[in-house]
Amino acid sequence: EAQVTQNPRYLITVTGKKLTVTCSQNMNHEYMSWYRQDPGLGLRQIYYSMNVEVTDKGDVPEGYKVSRKEKRNFPLILESPSPNQTSLYFCASRSGGTGTREKLFFGSGTQLSVL
Amino acid sequence: LAKTTQPISMDSYEGQEVNITCSHNNIATNDYITWYQQFPSQGPRFIIQGYKTKVTNEVASLFIPADRKSSTLSLPRVSLSDTAVYYCLVGASYGGATNKLIFGTGTLLAVQP
Repeated sequence: EAQVTQNPRYLITVTGKKLTVTCSQNMNHEYMSWYRQDPGLGLRQIYYSMNVEVTDKGDVPEGYKVSRKEKRNFPLILESPSPNQTSLYFCASRSGGTGTREKLFFGSGTQLSVL
Repeated sequence: LAKTTQPISMDSYEGQEVNITCSHNNIATNDYITWYQQFPSQGPRFIIQGYKTKVTNEVASLFIPADRKSSTLSLPRVSLSDTAVYYCLVGASYGGATNKLIFGTGTLLAVQP
């Protein structure tokens, strides 16, 4: 089954403790991205990757890191989480390197709480 | 940037047709318009996509005027299960490469019996 898998589904941590949220897709998609969703603000893009070793900033990249060493995986790293990073996070992927024609496939989300 | 603007919320009753409009005044020539549906605690999922005029599938219709500065998602005869947040997505073009995909704030559609 074609899917985007995120882990963990829920995560509670404390300020400053490094964490990684994993994302994996089995559709051989070139493009992957991370979004955060906050009440009243919709979906905001954090980082995206057009292919292996190619990443770029979205609208809200501060405080986040990503890496794309393999095509199927795109982990989101919070080196020193802060309470304002408490949010619902989604990973998404699509085929093709450019353009908006290809539809996005989303993971089920990761609810992160930073205390 | 092709920023999008949608109504924050809409109410409807079962069996009615619902039209949700999205404004995207700065849409680029290469951008497509895509709508997604999101249920609580789930990731958004694709509903429909178009470039111009009208597109229809088994779920919805999408109307795009000639100037492409707006689009309207039409849901025929909604049911309670259509209660969700609907997002309009238009790409942000930088040098011809549209990779920074900007979602709007979404429209919460509440369908009542």
